[in-house]
Amino acid sequence: DAGVIQSPRHEVTEMGQEVTLRCKPISGHNSLFWYRQTMMRGLELLIYFNNNVPIDDSGMPEDRFSAKMPNASFSTLKIQPSEPRDSAVYFCASSLLRTWGETVGAGELFFGEGSRLTVL
Amino acid sequence: AQSVTQPDIHITVSEGASLELRCNYSYGATPYLFWYVQSPGQGLQLLLKYFSGDTLVQGIKGFEAEFKRSQSSFNLRKPSVHWSDAAEYFCAVGSPGTYKYIFGTGTRLKVLA
Repeated sequence: DAGVIQSPRHEVTEMGQEVTLRCKPISGHNSLFWYRQTMMRGLELLIYFNNNVPIDDSGMPEDRFSAKMPNASFSTLKIQPSEPRDSAVYFCASSLLRTWGETVGAGELFFGEGSRLTVL
Repeated sequence: AQSVTQPDIHITVSEGASLELRCNYSYGATPYLFWYVQSPGQGLQLLLKYFSGDTLVQGIKGFEAEFKRSQSSFNLRKPSVHWSDAAEYFCAVGSPGTYKYIFGTGTRLKVLA
């Protein structure tokens, strides 16, 4: 079975350029997460989608960051304009969260291999 | 405050030796507990998880972990480490009431031949 697929694996760009990272979650999963990993801050949750709807974007650093999930099989994370401090590894993860009424159940996360971004 | 603590940033063991990685959590709700492993240049892979029931859980690659509620711990163990186990290990906690996972800062394991 295909896992979570991310592209590109590596991106080197210059400050001020637009960066778009892509993610294909596991088929059948209803939740998608974008994380950022740096040495200084570890894993940070940027945004969480449930059934293609953004539920929590409180981790998005600033307005330069935006994320979309137009359908159940595709999501993008865009940085415009990019800055050197955005250099990090960006992970997409998907999960099947079970709901009972208003309660959401945490399931295991399946991570992609990440997109390593370097902004010069 | 909710948190996950992995007190050991780096651990070095010899191949064939036993391993224990520590994880302590502070969490107000019933915890779901996870251990993930990250090899260099790779994403995180689930090793094992605890939702309920038997507090000793078995995972992949010969790993196991024990949930001790009284100690708020979920330590990862392996009886005999292989060189391929060298990686970074993350403990994480979630709960039935939230989609948010709290990750520890990771423990980097080095294995000596």
